[in-house]
Amino acid sequence: DGGITQSPKYLFRKEGQNVTLSCEQNLNHDAMYWYRQDPGQGLRLIYYSQIVNDFQKGDIAEGYSVSREKKESFPLTVTSAQKNPTAFYLCASSLPGGNTGELFFGEGSRLTVL
Amino acid sequence: AQSVTQLGSHVSVSEGALVLLRCNYSSSVPPYLFWYVQYPNQGLQLLLKYTTGATLVKGINGFEAEFKKSETSFHLTKPSAHMSDAAEYFCAVRDFGAGSYQLTFGKGTKLSVIP
Repeated sequence: DGGITQSPKYLFRKEGQNVTLSCEQNLNHDAMYWYRQDPGQGLRLIYYSQIVNDFQKGDIAEGYSVSREKKESFPLTVTSAQKNPTAFYLCASSLPGGNTGELFFGEGSRLTVL
Repeated sequence: AQSVTQLGSHVSVSEGALVLLRCNYSSSVPPYLFWYVQYPNQGLQLLLKYTTGATLVKGINGFEAEFKKSETSFHLTKPSAHMSDAAEYFCAVRDFGAGSYQLTFGKGTKLSVIP
């Protein structure tokens, strides 16, 4: 079945450590996104990529980094510069251009900083 | 820039009662509109979407929404709530005026269903 796989589902990190969240899709979508979700805040866009080897900052990119070396993969690194990293992280993908823009989501990764 | 307002961060209904979740948007041109549902510790799942054509849109699990351009609204309804409808619901808009592929999300409404 086609879909988006995020791993790990739960992750604990000590302060000062970088962590990388994995996102893989087999939907053959060109565009991929990372969102952060906090209670009562909705979804906030961290980074997005419309094509391999290209990505743009979203609304809250500070303290995060991404890469897009393959169409199927869009990993997110939460660096030690992110002041409040504890959150639920969602990866999504979509068809680009004239498509409706509908997003397909993974199951999410919950990061807790100890 | 477009924005989405969901009235009520928490809504409680009795089982069997009408569900009404409100969404208003601001956009310079008629947008595409979406409703997503999220169960605890899971990703978002598309309930329904409006792109063009008929303004009353039917989705999964008995939900529907009506696009009202004059009111800039896209409220979500279901005639009879089930316990399994308890979840968080997000309204989202894609604004073509910005030439962007991105969706802008509301802050969500958590629906509780009382037995």
